[in-house]
Amino acid sequence: DQQVKQNSPSLSVQEGRISILNCDYTNSMFDYFLWYKKYPAEGPTFLISISSIKDKNEDGRFTVFLNKSAKHLSLHIVPSQPGDSAVYFCAATPYSGGSNYKLTFGKGTLLTVNP
Amino acid sequence: DSGVTQTPKHLITATGQRVTLRCSPRSGDLSVYWYQQSLDQGLQFLIQYYNGEERAKGNILERFSAQQFPDLHSELNLSSLELGDSALYFCASSATGQGIYGYTFGSGTRLTVV
Repeated sequence: DQQVKQNSPSLSVQEGRISILNCDYTNSMFDYFLWYKKYPAEGPTFLISISSIKDKNEDGRFTVFLNKSAKHLSLHIVPSQPGDSAVYFCAATPYSGGSNYKLTFGKGTLLTVNP
Repeated sequence: DSGVTQTPKHLITATGQRVTLRCSPRSGDLSVYWYQQSLDQGLQFLIQYYNGEERAKGNILERFSAQQFPDLHSELNLSSLELGDSALYFCASSATGQGIYGYTFGSGTRLTVV
């Protein structure tokens, strides 16, 4: 049962354009969502997150949008740069504070930004 | 360097064998999480330990076990290995009070079962 789904295995965009990565979830208990970026031979690194009480969170070139009614979130990267080429994982958790929480991940989307 | 250390980085072993993967969390982090990433799969949660005690269990096979030691390092033991166990195994750690932002991954151990 895939509770977090990233339906696009890959995405290719031109440098300077917008990259939009999508993620859908099925578990209504999820109330905190995160995006991780992973380069080859490295572990995933935290990129940006959003709480279910918000519908948008911005950090520099990265913006995450959350549509709770549709159980959908998206990551926008503007402008895209070649260094953004990586696998992007969407993750979710029914976060309730403290440090004991489990992240449920999607399968990832490979973003390639062409110069 | 994320501060989470995993050893070895690569491991090749035969079917039926047993291996141990090691994880040293960031200094001060009490929670350790193990994830498996197989081909075409996302990161699958295996198990979590907090200050030496098991706190949550995911899709971990009975052939797999883990523990967290008093110095907070953790080991994931995989036995009776099968070809399908070939995967990247990641460890992550987090600290009380840092919330979601404190969830930090190591660079993983790539296990190849031949």
